[in-house]
Formats: sequence, C-alpha cells, structure tokens
Amino acid sequence: KAGVTQTPRYLIKTRGQQVTLSCSPISGHRSVSWYQQTPGQGLQFLFEYFSETQRNKGNFPGRFSGRQFSNSRSEMNVSTLELGDSALYLCASSAGTGTPLVYGYTFGSGTRLTVV
Amino acid sequence: SQQGEEDPQALSIQEGENATMNCSYKTSINNLQWYRQNSGRGLVHLILIRSNEREKHSGRLRVTLDTSKKSSSLLITASRAADTASYFCATAVSSGNTPLVFGKGTRLSVIA
Repeated sequence: KAGVTQTPRYLIKTRGQQVTLSCSPISGHRSVSWYQQTPGQGLQFLFEYFSETQRNKGNFPGRFSGRQFSNSRSEMNVSTLELGDSALYLCASSAGTGTPLVYGYTFGSGTRLTVV
Repeated sequence: SQQGEEDPQALSIQEGENATMNCSYKTSINNLQWYRQNSGRGLVHLILIRSNEREKHSGRLRVTLDTSKKSSSLLITASRAADTASYFCATAVSSGNTPLVFGKGTRLSVIA
C-alpha cells in the first residue's frame, strides 16, 4: 500500500512569507504527527492530529499551525517565516487510536524548507 | 526536550563488524522504538520493544531494554555499507497523552 506522502519535497521561501505543507497518511491511519528536524535541535514535536482534532501540541510559537481533514490528510502552516524555520519537516502516520503509543510511526520523506 | 539520548553520537566501523548504539531515557515508558534515517530522508521504523520485554530480534538487529537502568541498546550484526545512516531511539511514555519523543541520534558510518 502507498506510504506517507509529503508535498512539496523542497521549498524555498523568503522571510516574512507563509508556507503550507501537506501530508497524506497511509490509508486507514487516523493519527498524523508533525516533527521539525534541524541539525542543532534534532527532532522536535510540532503537533498531532487524530480524527480531525489536535490531540497534542509541542512547544512552538503560534506561527505554526495545522489541521486535519476528514480523509485524514493533514496540512501544517507556518506564517511570517523566520530564518530559523529552515528545517526538514517530517510527517508521520500511525495506526494507533489511543495513548500510549503502541504502534510505530511511518514517516514521509519530508519537506525541506529553506528560508532566505 | 529530548527524552532519549543516544551514545555514541557518531560511530565508524568496517564492513562485517558489529555496531552497538545505546539509548538512555528519563521517565517510565510503555515502549521504546528504534528508527533509521538515511541522509535527508524520512525515518524508517526498525523495531519496537515493550517495557515488559528484555530483548527482541529482527534479522540482523538485536535490541535490549533495561527498564531498571532506563536504557536500551541496538546491535547491528555483520554491518554492511548500506547500514550507513543515523539511528534514533524514541520513547512512548506509560501514561498521558504524550507524543513519541526522539533522541538526537547516532550517526553510523560503515566503511567498505
């Protein structure tokens, strides 16, 4: 079956602009999580959505937001981009429905965002 | 903040040798997972070990878990050049609505 699909693969934006990233999870997976990966901070949790509801949120400013649609596809948005937002943004889906997390994640290939 | 911390940060070995990576964590867990990431790509789930398990095998991978020491190790036997990647441990805590928390990873280089 198809894996997790993230689009676009690469993105270059200018400071102050906004960006929207998309993630299509594995069919049947209702949990979608987003992570930001940078060389200095590693993988930082952004948010998790389950059945269109944000179930968890990481410690990021309000410029970072997301949503999930009824077909489980998810988008994340970053407004007023800063140079420090340059990172690999990873989306992961899981078959799990509750907590704790008893299933592994399936990750997409990520979106490489560069802010200039 | 990182729940898991991998050690060493980087490891370089010859093809055919075994590679061992360690992970320490801080709180009670439901399970611990290991992932691999090839340069600039997404992470691939390797293995999940539950808190009531002590050892688990998958092909050339062997994972151990010591909950009393809050530590885990990943052993890759007979390493190949294709095993060159970064390896991350991730913990799922025992209770509460908490996301999977990743360590900063071990960068493994297998030299042919």
